[in-house]
Amino acid sequence: AQSVSQHNHHVILSEAASLELGCNYSYGGTVNLFWYVQYPGQHLQLLLKYFSGDPLVKGIKGFEAEFIKSKFSFNLRKPSVQWSDTAEYFCAVNAGGYQKVTFGTGTKLQVIP
Amino acid sequence: DSGVTQTPKHLITATGQRVTLRCSPRSGDLSVYWYQQSLDQGLQFLIQYYNGEERAKGNILERFSAQQFPDLHSELNLSSLELGDSALYFCASSVDGDSSYEQYFGPGTRLTVT
Repeated sequence: AQSVSQHNHHVILSEAASLELGCNYSYGGTVNLFWYVQYPGQHLQLLLKYFSGDPLVKGIKGFEAEFIKSKFSFNLRKPSVQWSDTAEYFCAVNAGGYQKVTFGTGTKLQVIP
Repeated sequence: DSGVTQTPKHLITATGQRVTLRCSPRSGDLSVYWYQQSLDQGLQFLIQYYNGEERAKGNILERFSAQQFPDLHSELNLSSLELGDSALYFCASSVDGDSSYEQYFGPGTRLTVT
């Protein structure tokens, strides 16, 4: 069965700091990978996704993620965070097709002005 | 606004009771997913329906059931409620039954069991 681990549960950064949130998954086959974000009081929304091709994926609001197959990782990065990036971030994996999407437990990011 | 609506927003009920949560997907989306989000378990996939039929099942308890109606709205029924069922229940929809497609989430229903 597929699983997702997000090792950082709570991250606090100052504005302009660089961000990297870890995501590791376990599944032996081809996977689709996602990062979702939940801003305070709002619904979850897709930040970016990887299906195939270039392992460096760019998403909305300056976020990017790199798929490293050998490490089973899909870490989320942003070079300079803003206060408005304060949110909870979820990594998710799907084995493709009609398989379920498995979400990680989430990382709460707090950006201090 | 994702286009997915959920009612009610909040629900407070007692142990042993039964409740129904309702979800209307985005216009044109055929697939509906239900998730449970609790503090200790994170976001857990419960069940998926596609065009009225069950497509995938996750960690859904036998006390819980769901269905998708011909107009594509979906209901999640929770019965014999326990304190541990207190959580946020999210519905999401996507255009296709293939869960590789982006899911659009509703605002959630917060269930409190006392």
